[in-house]
Amino acid sequence: AQSVTQLDSQVPVFEEAPVELRCNYSSSVSVYLFWYVQYPNQGLQLLLKYLSGSTLVKGINGFEAEFNKSQTSFHLRKPSVHISDTAEYFCAVSETGGGNKLTFGTGTQLKVEL
Amino acid sequence: EAQVTQNPRYLITVTGKKLTVTCSQNMNHEYMSWYRQDPGLGLRQIYYSMNVEVTDKGDVPEGYKVSRKEKRNFPLILESPSPNQTSLYFCASSLSHGTPNSPLHFGNGTRLTVT
Repeated sequence: AQSVTQLDSQVPVFEEAPVELRCNYSSSVSVYLFWYVQYPNQGLQLLLKYLSGSTLVKGINGFEAEFNKSQTSFHLRKPSVHISDTAEYFCAVSETGGGNKLTFGTGTQLKVEL
Repeated sequence: EAQVTQNPRYLITVTGKKLTVTCSQNMNHEYMSWYRQDPGLGLRQIYYSMNVEVTDKGDVPEGYKVSRKEKRNFPLILESPSPNQTSLYFCASSLSHGTPNSPLHFGNGTRLTVT
């Protein structure tokens, strides 16, 4: 069975600083990987996804993530954050051939401060 | 506008009083799912439906029921709510089951409090 670990429950960062949100997964088969963002009082929105091909994936709002198979990681990065990036970020995994069953991590609250 | 609509957004009820949270999507999606979100636990799947009249249990189905009589609607039913069902609930849909290029679209959530 697949699982996802987000090691950091909260990440405070100053505006215009870089940020990395960590995600590690576990699965016995090939996986698809996703990052979702949840702004206050809203549902989740897809930020980016890795299905195959290039291991560096670019998403919306300047975010990118890199798939590292050997380290079973899919860390999310942004070189310069804005106040508007304050949100909760969820990493999720689904197994290839496993349908749309997503397993979510516990989330990382990104708080951008002035 | 393409969207998943949940109602109500907020609900406070008492133990044992049956309730229904509605979910409707206007994108002609086949796949629909319910999740609950709890602090420190992330999102956990309650039930899902691959198409009309096809539903299946997710990871935490106890205490919940669903139905899928029409493609666009997927209500979540709590026949006898208990305080441990106090949570934030999300409905989601996608075009088809088993297609990673078909991302999940989420509703804005229903915050349920059971006293």
